[in-house]
Amino acid sequence: SQTIHQWPATLVQPVGSPLSLECTVEGTSNPNLYWYRQAAGRGLQLLFYSVGIGQISSEVPQNLSASRPQDRQFILSSKKLLLSDSGFYLCAWKGTGDSPLHFGNGTRLTVT
Amino acid sequence: AQTVTQSQPEMSVQEAETVTLSCTYDTSESDYYLFWYKQPPSRQMILVIRQEAYKQQNATENRFSVNFQKAAKSFSLKISDSQLGDAAMYFCAYRSARPPGSARQLTFGSGTQLTVLP
Repeated sequence: SQTIHQWPATLVQPVGSPLSLECTVEGTSNPNLYWYRQAAGRGLQLLFYSVGIGQISSEVPQNLSASRPQDRQFILSSKKLLLSDSGFYLCAWKGTGDSPLHFGNGTRLTVT
Repeated sequence: AQTVTQSQPEMSVQEAETVTLSCTYDTSESDYYLFWYKQPPSRQMILVIRQEAYKQQNATENRFSVNFQKAAKSFSLKISDSQLGDAAMYFCAYRSARPPGSARQLTFGSGTQLTVLP
């Protein structure tokens, strides 16, 4: 069966520090991968998605970037965090066709 | 662009009672999918139920059912025999049936926080 792993679960970082959140998927190949952000008390906003290795699409201009160095690995990064980057980040994957989206357990990022 | 609206930021229901969460969406497409996701305090997003727009029959999953009104662009979720474990944030989501460039990503509503009262 397919599983998705996302880490770390919680992260507290000072303003101006770098960020790296990692997401890996097991049990499937060539998944679509997604990074969502959820601000406190609000819905999910799509940040990035990828349909293949090295293929990244950005949905909103921001301080973050994403990379997909391997088929089942999706990384969310920042060179210098801002206070506004605080939030809950969710990685998700989707198979081909009409399959639904499956989410990781999320990372709570607090920028201080 | 598609939009999804959940007009009820908070709802409450007595245990064992029935509650309906509302969702409306705006799209010019005829072929799409609709979903309800549940996010409990653990923050994990859990798929509750899905509906294909081409299907007239409303989807049902145990105590969860939907009322899909395509012409009205309405997609409500009914939870029967509510349980304490149903307490969560519920998100309605839309996905186009078109292939990539959009990679078929989900558009989410802002969520409805459901409280179940013992």
